[in-house]
Amino acid sequence: NAGVTQTPKFRILKIGQSMTLQCAQDMNHNYMYWYRQDPGMGLKLIYYSVGAGITDKGEVPNGYNVSRSTTEYFPLRLELAAPSQTSVYFCASIPSSGFSTDTQYFGPGTRLTVL
Amino acid sequence: TQLLEQSPQFLSIQEGENLTVYCNSSSVFSSLQWYRQEPGEGPVLLVTVVTGGEVKKLKRLTFQFGDARKDSSLHITAAQPGDTGLYLCALAAFMEYGNKLVFGAGTILRVKS
Repeated sequence: NAGVTQTPKFRILKIGQSMTLQCAQDMNHNYMYWYRQDPGMGLKLIYYSVGAGITDKGEVPNGYNVSRSTTEYFPLRLELAAPSQTSVYFCASIPSSGFSTDTQYFGPGTRLTVL
Repeated sequence: TQLLEQSPQFLSIQEGENLTVYCNSSSVFSSLQWYRQEPGEGPVLLVTVVTGGEVKKLKRLTFQFGDARKDSSLHITAAQPGDTGLYLCALAAFMEYGNKLVFGAGTILRVKS
């Protein structure tokens, strides 16, 4: 049981390039989330999904896209990378109930730098 | 403005000292979670508090939820270097589908040996 895994761990992009951040979980969780973490700012929700085929925007969705074709995978796509997207990205999941007291399980993060 | 305000932003103490970090909001929330994040890792849940006035203990860590459910504190007794990390509080907010967590900016704790 690997929990939540993310790849790559580090990446440097040039302005305008695109990339996909991968996230997978093997806990059969329906709910999955993408956050970005900037220094001194906590975590901000980018997109989330409540199951395969269902996604919705969070607080800071601009410049990102997501898809959820299976329960296990929830990739995050950056189409035209900008310096403002330099951040650490975390994927998380919770069990199917989605209650407020559920534990969110986080992946180890992807550190992205856009130059 | 942050929905959750955490203080202090940064704390550097010697091993063996006690400390308290705070998480405050102008809104009432139904539950609050505390997470610890170590460098290069994702946040890991420490505790969830639900009832106003609730106190939970996790070894040397004591978590308290305010009576009015608008604030919470984390007290560490006899801090150890292994307690070093970023401490985040988070509350659940309802969205169209399920819940999301709203995080405070965090308190960076450094415990020196």
